[in-house]
Order: sequence, then structure tokens, then C-alpha cells
Amino acid sequence: DVKVTQSSRYLVKRTGEKVFLECVQDMDHENMFWYRQDPGLGLRLIYFSYDVKMKEKGDIPEGYSVSREKKERFSLILESASTNQTSMYLCASSPLSYGEQYFGPGTRLTVT
Amino acid sequence: RKEVEQDPGPFNVPEGATVAFNCTYSNSASQSFFWYRQDCRKEPKLLMSVYSSGNEDGRFTAQLNRASQYISLLIRDSKLSDSATYLCVARRGDDKIIFGKGTRLHILP
Repeated sequence: DVKVTQSSRYLVKRTGEKVFLECVQDMDHENMFWYRQDPGLGLRLIYFSYDVKMKEKGDIPEGYSVSREKKERFSLILESASTNQTSMYLCASSPLSYGEQYFGPGTRLTVT
Repeated sequence: RKEVEQDPGPFNVPEGATVAFNCTYSNSASQSFFWYRQDCRKEPKLLMSVYSSGNEDGRFTAQLNRASQYISLLIRDSKLSDSATYLCVARRGDDKIIFGKGTRLHILP
């Protein structure tokens, strides 16, 4: 079974804090993704990575950065958290360019 | 026009009935297609990939119509546990993965 894990299920942070969300997959997938999901807006791609140390911007990269130092690990960083970054953050991995994605359980982040 | 469109529902269906959803996509370069189900406050989970020839997994059947650019999902003998939001996905490469906003399904006892 593919397993994608995320470091926290729930997180509460203050405005201006630096926030790290970590994602680990155990299936040796090349591609990894970070999304956020908000009611009425669906899933929106923040960043993705198709290889170690490679990253590409998605549809809404502003206010976020990512790091992929090892194949199995993909981190999302909020440099200075803001209230409009309160959301559900979902990590996913995928074995192929056209393959299916597998999602982690999500981190529900609240920024106060 | 949105790249992937779904009827948001909700579809309220009695237990045991058959229900079908369609999803249209606008970019003909899309190469692969999937259905996911998402329970409230949980992550999307892969339900099935969709192949040109159509595919079936138990009570679930998925179809792809490239000419008309839509995919469909049929659920037979629906169960209470099928209540969820169903997301369709069209993919055309590493980063062009477009999710529909989902169709909500409620199975009624």
C-alpha cells in the first residue's frame, strides 16, 4: 500500500510565524505535490517537484516555498503566515507523469 | 469555461439505486483521467483510473468519451457508505492535473 504521511493533522499558528509542513512518501515516487483545499475553491496546486532539488510553481505559489532534499520528503514552508493561509493542506505523490496521485491525510492549518 | 466541470449536486439517492455522474473536460491534450472520492474533512482517495475502453471495479464503472470530452462514473446497488464527494481529474503531464470541484452524493436509507 502506498503511504503518504504528513507531519501534523492540526496546526495553529500566529500571524507572522514561519510554518513548516512536512510530507513523506514510502513508494519511491518521483513526483510530489502540495495543494491547498478551501470550500468552494476545490484543490489548488501550490508547488510540485519531479525530482530531488527540483521544484516548479503551481497555480498559487505566492507566500509559500518548498524544499525537496530527499526523494521521499517534500516540505512546504510558509515564510510569514497570514490569516488567508488558513486552509487544509494536502500533500500527494505520483509515480509517473500521467499516473495517479496518492494523498496524505492533510494538515488543517489555522493562522490567528 | 472551467477546464474540468462537474455537477456539484447534491445527488440524493435511495440505497440500492444506481447513480451516474458525468464530468466534462475542455483540454483535448488531457492524457489520463481518474475518479477520487473524498469524505468530509478527509483526503481524496483514488477510486479508479479511467481507460478509453471503460473499466469496472465491483459496483463501479468508469467510462471515457474522448470525442465528446467527458468521463462518467456509474455506481450500482448504492450503499450508505458510498455517501461522499466524488472528484474527477484530468491530467496532461507533470503539473497539469486539473481537479473538478466534486459532486456530492448522499445515499438515503
